[in-house]
Amino acid sequence: AQKVTQAQTEISVVEKEDVTLDCVYETRDTTYYLFWYKQPPSGELVFLIRRNSFDEQNEISGRYSWNFQKSTSSFNFTITASQVVDSAVYFCALSEGNYNQGGKLIFGQGTELSVKP
Amino acid sequence: EAQVTQNPRYLITVTGKKLTVTCSQNMNHEYMSWYRQDPGLGLRQIYYSMNVEVTDKGDVPEGYKVSRKEKRNFPLILESPSPNQTSLYFCASSLTPGFNGYTFGSGTRLTVV
Repeated sequence: AQKVTQAQTEISVVEKEDVTLDCVYETRDTTYYLFWYKQPPSGELVFLIRRNSFDEQNEISGRYSWNFQKSTSSFNFTITASQVVDSAVYFCALSEGNYNQGGKLIFGQGTELSVKP
Repeated sequence: EAQVTQNPRYLITVTGKKLTVTCSQNMNHEYMSWYRQDPGLGLRQIYYSMNVEVTDKGDVPEGYKVSRKEKRNFPLILESPSPNQTSLYFCASSLTPGFNGYTFGSGTRLTVV
């Protein structure tokens, strides 16, 4: 069965610290897609990144970086020099390549990040 | 601006009073879905649609209905709401779910008393 695990329920850091949010997934598909979404206190879901199973290149976008490792079924997210505005709940999600249930997103439980000034 | 629009953002209603949460997207997306978010249970898919007049149940469809008469609209209908349907609801749309992922609406916080 497909599953996404975010073992860290809550993380608290002080501004300017680096922080890594862990994501481990399970799937039997060879083709799949991984996502990270941000949910700020206002409640909406904001898309951050997508990765497909054939592309293990790491990605950097400003202070954000993502490390995808198929060997460990992990798709971790690092925020460098965190800021108070990074405070949010972050979700990792998986979608199967066969568009099962319309490409349903299987979400992890989320990690609540709190960045203190 | 490309977006998914849900209305209302907040709604308090009473048990048994039929309600509809509207969802509209302006990106000509074929795929649309409804999710609900609950503490401790995360986000779960309620219903999805792969095109006009093509809808199917997700993981938690009980107590909900949907329709897809036009490509842009995908309303969620609660015929007889109950308190266990108190939740945060999200509508989402996608051109190709895997490749593009889903774009989410701003959410509807529903309270059923």
